[in-house]
Amino acid sequence: AQSVTQLGSHVSVSEGALVLLRCNYSSSVPPYLFWYVQYPNQGLQLLLKYTSAATLVKGINDFEAEFKKSETSFHLTKPSAHMSDAAEYFCAVSDLTGNQFYFGTGTSLTVIP
Amino acid sequence: EAQVTQNPRYLITVTGKKLTVTCSQNMNHEYMSWYRQDPGLGLRQIYYSMNVEVTDKGDVPEGYKVSRKEKRNFPLILESPSPNQTSLYFCASSPAMGYEQYFGPGTRLTVT
Repeated sequence: AQSVTQLGSHVSVSEGALVLLRCNYSSSVPPYLFWYVQYPNQGLQLLLKYTSAATLVKGINDFEAEFKKSETSFHLTKPSAHMSDAAEYFCAVSDLTGNQFYFGTGTSLTVIP
Repeated sequence: EAQVTQNPRYLITVTGKKLTVTCSQNMNHEYMSWYRQDPGLGLRQIYYSMNVEVTDKGDVPEGYKVSRKEKRNFPLILESPSPNQTSLYFCASSPAMGYEQYFGPGTRLTVT
């Protein structure tokens, strides 16, 4: 089974600073990788999705993620943090069939004014 | 409005009393799934369904049942709930396997 590791359960950045949230997956290359965001008391919303078309994936609200097979990583970045980015972020990968999904434990992002 | 709805949103029950959490989507999606979210554990997949009458176990299926008799509905059944099933539950749907999932608002279940 796949496993997903998100390093840093809590990350704090200053407003305007770079956001870097880390995600590593295990074993063989999963066909699908995702980043989701969860705002307080809400369900998850898709930020971006990797499907092998390009290693650098652009998502909503200026978020990007780069798939690096050699490092089994799919880190999420944003050049300049906004206060509205404060939320919980989840990395998710599928199994080889694309039916079963594995989520990381989440990273809570705090943006300091 | 395209959405996934769950009912109830909040539920407090006692050990052993059967309950059902409903999930419905209005997007004609083939794939539906149930997750539970626990602090420090992220989301874990309970069951998923690739289409009507086709369901399969996720990572943590013990103590849960599902059915998919209609494309739009995917209820989660706890026949004998226990306190370790106290959690936040999310239903999700997607057009097909591998596509992004659309999540419902969540159901917070407490079993005493």
